[in-house]
Amino acid sequence: DTGVSQDPRHKITKRGQNVTFRCDPISEHNRLYWYRQTLGQGPEFLTYFQNEAQLEKSRLLSDRFSAERPKGSFSTLEIQRTEQGDSAMYLCASSPALTGGVETQYFGPGTRLLVL
Amino acid sequence: DAKTTQPNSMESNEEEPVHLPCNHSTISGTDYIHWYRQLPSQGPEYVIHGLTSNVNNRMASLAIAEDRKSSTLILHRATLRDAAVYYCILRDVAGGGADGLTFGKGTHLIIQP
Repeated sequence: DTGVSQDPRHKITKRGQNVTFRCDPISEHNRLYWYRQTLGQGPEFLTYFQNEAQLEKSRLLSDRFSAERPKGSFSTLEIQRTEQGDSAMYLCASSPALTGGVETQYFGPGTRLLVL
Repeated sequence: DAKTTQPNSMESNEEEPVHLPCNHSTISGTDYIHWYRQLPSQGPEYVIHGLTSNVNNRMASLAIAEDRKSSTLILHRATLRDAAVYYCILRDVAGGGADGLTFGKGTHLIIQP
């Protein structure tokens, strides 16, 4: 078990560019979550997959944000036409199926985005 | 998920017990109480969870009030490595519980050597 991994760990981009982040969950975890965390705040939930199905995407911040998990394994989060307000830490988490209604999420180290 | 209230920060000395409070007066019967913590420059990590009874694990203990409107995370012997932001989160499993966690600002725990 190597834990949740995210790539890249840091990304600097210019306003207006597109960026894509990758998340590799713990193997055999069928649930995958994306969060955004700005300075001084707790993580903010963005979207969630169960296997390859995106079951919740209403919390994505705008239509510039999209996420995929094509084969039910790794996931990507894309931000199009980045803005300076998109600068934040983007966190990925995975979890196994619920057991008795209780779920533990395992977080990756995050990708820190800076938009200039 | 119902809202929780935590102090912004707390300070403790190394090797002493730490009691981190959380108020959740609007908790429902199907809300589990979860605690996560976030060490500097890392993603959050699970600490403990409970429903009604007090819980213990290798990291901490969770004491839940009889009316469930508050809870306390107990670190029995704090070390410098326990300096982190601690989040108290309610998780409603009535609808399946399959949704993102709702984090507040948490409590910033400072450990003095």
